[in-house]
Amino acid sequence: EVQLVESGGGLVQPGGSLRLSCAASGFTFSKYSMNWVRQAPGKGLEWISYISSDGITYYTDSLKGRFTISRDNAKNSLYLQMNSLTAKDTAVYYCARERTIVEVDYGVDVWGQGTTVTVSS
Amino acid sequence: ETTLTQSPAFMSATPRDKVTISCKASQDIDDDLIWFQQKPGEAPILIIQEATSLVPGIPPRFSGSGYGTDFTLTINNVESEDAAFYFCQQHDNFPRTFGQGTKVEIK
Repeated sequence: EVQLVESGGGLVQPGGSLRLSCAASGFTFSKYSMNWVRQAPGKGLEWISYISSDGITYYTDSLKGRFTISRDNAKNSLYLQMNSLTAKDTAVYYCARERTIVEVDYGVDVWGQGTTVTVSS
Repeated sequence: ETTLTQSPAFMSATPRDKVTISCKASQDIDDDLIWFQQKPGEAPILIIQEATSLVPGIPPRFSGSGYGTDFTLTINNVESEDAAFYFCQQHDNFPRTFGQGTKVEIK
């Protein structure tokens, strides 16, 4: 069974940092591109970042420079380093697999359950 | 950046109604559009891929149509279990973008 399990969320003070992790199982992680997506309370989905199977990254412009996506294929894990956090970063953060077929991406197909980040003093 | 304009933001339907949700892209994205269903407290579920292909395991009352800039999600004979948020997303280019979402209420 394909599974994505996020961890690392919690309460952090404004200006602080947090590193989210996503443990993947049930598929060959190294062959898939991955994404981070967030959802603020009562809001829609916001795409944050993407990393290809070979490490090419993309970010939404508003978060570029503060957030860094990375992966460790040997550990079947995806990460999101978040710095200089503000209240606007309060959200549920989802790890999401990209449907990748022969190195071509076809959009997100599997989501984790999410981890909650709350930025507050 | 490709903006996806989704409408309506909210709709109320009665069981067996036909529900139609629109997603308009600000530029041509071919058929690189997918639809998700999200119920409260749960992660989204992929229901339509490549604009028109039903994901295996999703009931056939769901269907998608469109190409280029105009896309539609249709739920025929809507059931109470279809009450949820529905989002579109484009994967034609970066940054990936989502529609604002549609809340479907079943009376």
